[in-house]
Amino acid sequence: QLQLQESGPGLVKPSETLSLTCTVSGGSISSSSYYWGWIRQPPGKGLEWIGSIYYSGSTYYNPSLKSRVTISVDTSKNQFSLKLSSVTAADTAVYYCARHREPQFPFDYWGQGTLVTVSS
Amino acid sequence: DIQMTQSPSSLSASVGDRVTITCRASQSISSYLNWYQQKPGKAPKLLIYAASSLQSGVPSRFSGSGSGTDFTLTISSLQPEDFATYYCQQSYSTPPTFGQGTRLEIK
Repeated sequence: QLQLQESGPGLVKPSETLSLTCTVSGGSISSSSYYWGWIRQPPGKGLEWIGSIYYSGSTYYNPSLKSRVTISVDTSKNQFSLKLSSVTAADTAVYYCARHREPQFPFDYWGQGTLVTVSS
Repeated sequence: DIQMTQSPSSLSASVGDRVTITCRASQSISSYLNWYQQKPGKAPKLLIYAASSLQSGVPSRFSGSGSGTDFTLTISSLQPEDFATYYCQQSYSTPPTFGQGTRLEIK
């Protein structure tokens, strides 16, 4: 059974960089045709896709966040990572990692999510 | 970006009721419409993909329909475990976008 698990600091200061890692178990991140993505949800609000990466390193991002986002993959560790720079309180959210087959497919496996609070 | 609008935003219903939630896209998305269920403190769970295909392991009381801009999620007979928030999501174009959610509460 495929499992995804987010990890990283739960508190980040304003203007700093948020860094999270998603560890994939029960399957290979290098499986062809699968993309690995990040989605966030501010407390009490809806879902926002941040970006996705293919195991080859090919990425695509939400234009609204593109200038601040970097997603990378480490196939040797079966992990992919999110960096979001210059954070503000508006970036406080539960961050989920998820899998989707290709860009036009749904997110079929999700991590449990991790709350990141931006505060001094 | 394609805007997804769900209605209603909240809904009260009883166990055994038939419930329908609507999702409208700001432009045609063919059948690239997915539905998720989210319970408090949990990640969303995929229920329906491609507008009407039931994800493996999801009870058959859940069904989806529609194409183009208008879609529905129907729960044929509400069970206690179905009280949750439901989101639609379009995967037709980048960025994929979600509806604002429909909170289904116990009457």
